[in-house]
Amino acid sequence: EVQLVESGGGLVQPGRSLRLSCTASGFTFGDYAMSWVRQAPGKGLEWVGFIRSKAYGGTTEYAASVKGRFTISRDDSKSIAYLQMNSLKTEDTAVYYCTRPLGTGEFDYWGQGTLVTVSS
Amino acid sequence: QSALTQPASVSGSPGQSITISCTGTSSDVGGYNYVSWYQQHPGKAPKLMIYEVSNRPSGVSNRFSGSKSGNTASLTISGLQAEDEADYYCSSYTSSSSWVFGGGTKLTVL
Repeated sequence: EVQLVESGGGLVQPGRSLRLSCTASGFTFGDYAMSWVRQAPGKGLEWVGFIRSKAYGGTTEYAASVKGRFTISRDDSKSIAYLQMNSLKTEDTAVYYCTRPLGTGEFDYWGQGTLVTVSS
Repeated sequence: QSALTQPASVSGSPGQSITISCTGTSSDVGGYNYVSWYQQHPGKAPKLMIYEVSNRPSGVSNRFSGSKSGNTASLTISGLQAEDEADYYCSSYTSSSSWVFGGGTKLTVL
């Protein structure tokens, strides 16, 4: 059974950093791209970014709203994807979901989400 | 990348059919058959309901169907049931090697 479990959320002050983790199980993690999607309180879904599998260079893409501040990385030996968030803003407050994008464009599995609150 | 356009809300009575539209551009919905739909109940993670415009994952009811014409995709739910009440989001892969979501549609079953 595929499972994605996020961790690392919490309360952080504006301008500070936070790193989220997504621990995967139930599939060969290194064969897949991984993505992060967030949802601000009472708002819709927003794609944050993704990392390709090593077979496709392990490169990353980001939404304009986080580019230059957020970094996605992966440790295939541990089946973990990371989201490093720097220079956090109050508008980054959201539930952050880890999800698995397939080559046909859909996100087939989602974690339960972890809440990040940016506030002084 | 601007969000795809969805109606904020739709409603229907049990047994009826409803359709939710999702309008984008030629750089996303119109340019790819990589449109997917997600159902989200309050406090829960999104669930994949439709992928590649009209395909259903295993386990999703055949009451859910999808289609696309030009820059607009649609999700139709037939035989509405109380459990269908949720938020629905469309998503598309884009020409920028990124994804874009719709603003979401709240479905109320009357």
